[in-house]
Amino acid sequence: DVKVTQSSRYLVKRTGEKVFLECVQDMDHENMFWYRQDPGLGLRLIYFSYDVKMKEKGDIPEGYSVSREKKERFSLILESASTNQTSMYLCASSPLAGGSYEQYFGPGTRLTVT
Amino acid sequence: GENVEQHPSTLSVQEGDSAVIKCTYSDSASNYFPWYKQELGKGPQLIIDIRSNVGEKKDQRIAVTLNKTAKHFSLHITETQPEDSAVYFCAALESGGGADGLTFGKGTHLIIQP
Repeated sequence: DVKVTQSSRYLVKRTGEKVFLECVQDMDHENMFWYRQDPGLGLRLIYFSYDVKMKEKGDIPEGYSVSREKKERFSLILESASTNQTSMYLCASSPLAGGSYEQYFGPGTRLTVT
Repeated sequence: GENVEQHPSTLSVQEGDSAVIKCTYSDSASNYFPWYKQELGKGPQLIIDIRSNVGEKKDQRIAVTLNKTAKHFSLHITETQPEDSAVYFCAALESGGGADGLTFGKGTHLIIQP
């Protein structure tokens, strides 16, 4: 089974702190994604990566950056956390080849910024 | 970019009845339409998907229909059971390929009444 793990289930940070959310997948997938999930807004794509050291902006990249130094690991960085970044953050991965577009999601990290 | 609208936001049905969730999309170039189920405390999980060259697909009690002309697709769940209670998301993927992130609808909270 594909497994996508996220470093924390719950995280509380203060305004202005630098926050790192880590995601690791064990299926050698090329593509990795970061979404945020808010009530009534569904899932919105922040950033994605299709290869090591490659990254592409999604629909809402402002206030976020990402890092992909190894194929299995994709990090989301909040340079200076703000209260409007309080949300559920979901990481996902998918294979590039094979005709499958299925994305496999981690359990999510609920981030609260106070 | 793609825009996906999903209705209803909440759906309550009696156990054993059918449930239908509808989505529309804006970009005629989209060619892949998955449905994800999110149970409490978990990340979304793919339950069924359909590609633009197919009009209908079934998997036991769930089915998805696609109308490319009208740019809408629907999820049908028959003989609903308590374990069907969850949040369901539709999504669309543009023909750029699986390296791109999905555009999700806002979600439907399905409640199965005993």
